[in-house]
Amino acid sequence: QKEVEQNSGPLSVPEGAIASLNCTYSDRGSQSFFWYRQYSGKSPELIMSIYSNGDKEDGRFTAQLNKASQYVSLLIRDSQPSDSATYLCAVAGGTSYGKLTFGQGTILTVHP
Amino acid sequence: DVKVTQSSRYLVKRTGEKVFLECVQDMDHENMFWYRQDPGLGLRLIYFSYDVKMKEKGDIPEGYSVSREKKERFSLILESASTNQTSMYLCASSPRGRKATQPQHFGDGTRLSIL
Repeated sequence: QKEVEQNSGPLSVPEGAIASLNCTYSDRGSQSFFWYRQYSGKSPELIMSIYSNGDKEDGRFTAQLNKASQYVSLLIRDSQPSDSATYLCAVAGGTSYGKLTFGQGTILTVHP
Repeated sequence: DVKVTQSSRYLVKRTGEKVFLECVQDMDHENMFWYRQDPGLGLRLIYFSYDVKMKEKGDIPEGYSVSREKKERFSLILESASTNQTSMYLCASSPRGRKATQPQHFGDGTRLSIL
């Protein structure tokens, strides 16, 4: 059974702090990794894609991938109250017809 | 930008009705997906399609069927709606990746209530 696991939280951080969200996966053949943000009552929105080991930065967001340890993380620098949302980790193998396996999501709350 | 459009944001139907949820994408994506999302259960894949007229069952296909007659349109059908199908339904699409799976892009969702 392919699994993607996330700490459901809630994770609470003060405004301006770094929020660190973690995700582990069980399928060693996984090749594509994505982070989505979902506001309450809204649909998931893609914020980061990462395919290679190491870090990928986009503005205040950094995705980190370690395939040997089978984890992917998302760092949000200078967290803002508008970052309060559920963050979904999604993982895919190489021949999956585009299917993604989603984690349950981590609820992040950024308090002023 | 990718645009995935779901026909309704909110829908109320009665038990036993046949319900159609429509999804259209404008980016010529090969792959399309239908999920439902319920509190505490996360995103669950109902059906997906990787080409016109092709369909594959996801994790929870019972009580649902799909149709993909054109590349841009993927329809979800509740054959005989039941109250346990009250949920948020999400459509997504993605291009066929040459070397790696590409991300999915979601529509706004349809909140379906079955009374």
